[in-house]
Amino acid sequence: RKEVEQDPGPFNVPEGATVAFNCTYSNSASQSFFWYRQDCRKEPKLLMSVYSSGNEDGRFTAQLNRASQYISLLIRDSKLSDSATYLCVVTLGGFKTIFGAGTRLFVKA
Amino acid sequence: ETGVTQTPRHLVMGMTNKKSLKCEQHLGHNAMYWYKQSAKKPLELMFVYSLEERVENNSVPSRFSPECPNSSHLFLHLHTLQPEDSALYLCASSPTLADSYEQYFGPGTRLTVT
Repeated sequence: RKEVEQDPGPFNVPEGATVAFNCTYSNSASQSFFWYRQDCRKEPKLLMSVYSSGNEDGRFTAQLNRASQYISLLIRDSKLSDSATYLCVVTLGGFKTIFGAGTRLFVKA
Repeated sequence: ETGVTQTPRHLVMGMTNKKSLKCEQHLGHNAMYWYKQSAKKPLELMFVYSLEERVENNSVPSRFSPECPNSSHLFLHLHTLQPEDSALYLCASSPTLADSYEQYFGPGTRLTVT
């Protein structure tokens, strides 16, 4: 089983749509959780942290469910500029940072 | 604008060549990382350095040899590579090892081995 698993997509949505991605992790000792964004042919960039209590940043909401070992990212009112690959990231402590393979999102006009 | 630079951005090399990838971070960070990113696969952590000391070598073949002369510079020396080594090689840095979740990536070197 992969340590961090994501639906690769692609998700094709119209502008203004709400889209949600899920990610599951296998190690119950995982400590911290994040979403990164990677634009086509660019480097990954930290998007936001994920907490059990939820974390909202504008149109983006991230949620953690420790019992079920999954993380979600919700994007409301999608923009063309949201088109990217979204990477789920889990840390095990220290420098043990595990990246998922990513979910591709295409937002169309 | 990224505080981590990588050169070259693109590299084509034959299997018998020797080349080096360079990474420089201008962020004052103490930890630096090399990753390999192949199509549709997760980022694979290759090497981790903290204050110029290597702390992780993830079973990487010896044809990849890292070097960290100071906390701002990281090199990846390549020799006798295989076609399956073709990938995007990303360098990253973080303030400390404990902040490894907050990594700042360079733009990467796209490597093609012929």
